[in-house]
Amino acid sequence: GAGVSQSPSNKVTEKGKDVELRCDPISGHTALYWYRQSLGQGLEFLIYFQGNSAPDKSGLPSDRFSAERTGGSVSTLTIQRTQQEDSAVYLCASTLGGAVNEQFFGPGTRLTVL
Amino acid sequence: GQNIDQPTEMTATEGAIVQINCTYQTSGFNGLFWYQQHAGEAPTFLSYNVLDGLEEKGRFSSFLSRSKGYSYLLLKELQMKDSASYLCAVMGGYNKLIFGAGTRLAVHP
Repeated sequence: GAGVSQSPSNKVTEKGKDVELRCDPISGHTALYWYRQSLGQGLEFLIYFQGNSAPDKSGLPSDRFSAERTGGSVSTLTIQRTQQEDSAVYLCASTLGGAVNEQFFGPGTRLTVL
Repeated sequence: GQNIDQPTEMTATEGAIVQINCTYQTSGFNGLFWYQQHAGEAPTFLSYNVLDGLEEKGRFSSFLSRSKGYSYLLLKELQMKDSASYLCAVMGGYNKLIFGAGTRLAVHP
C-alpha cells in the first residue's frame, strides 16, 4: 500500500486477555517503530526494529509486552494479560533506514481494556 | 537520561505569529523533528533540523541551536486549521526517536 497500515483500528478487550496489534510498514522501509499514546499525552517509545539488527526494546514497559517483525516487514505487538492502564492508542511508524529520515505514521490502534 | 521539554498549551489569534519552544537533553543527537498532530489523527511530519540555524518552509519555520539544546517552531499567518498538537522529537543514538509530550495550540478568531 501507499502508507503505513495498522489493524485493528479499534480493539476492546477484557482485563487479563492477550491482544495482538499488527503493523504493515511502507514497502522498502527497513526501520519500524512502535509508540504508545495515552489520551492527551505525548508519544511514548516502545520498540524499534532496524533491518536484521537486534531490536531496541528499551521502551517496553513490562515483560507483558513483546514485538516481532517477520521477514523485515510486518510487525506484531503483543500485550499479554492486559491491564486497564494499557488502554491507549498504539502507533506504528516506518522510515528508510540508515541516514535520518522522516517517519511515516500509521493511523494507530485504539486499545481499550475494560 | 533523556528529557524533552515543551509548553503544554498555547493560544494564539488567527493571522498572528506563534513560537513553540523545545529544549532537550539526550544521549546522542542525530537531528530534531517537529510533527503536527490533529486530534484523533496520526502525527505528520513538519520539519527536520540537524545543523544550527533556521529552516523555512512556507508558513512554518524551525530553528535549532545544538549548543543550547534548543529548538523552536515558528508558525506565521495562523489559520484556524493550525489548531493541533505540535510534537518536538529528537533522534538520538542508534536512530532512536524520542518525543516530547507535545504542545496543544488553540487558534481563535
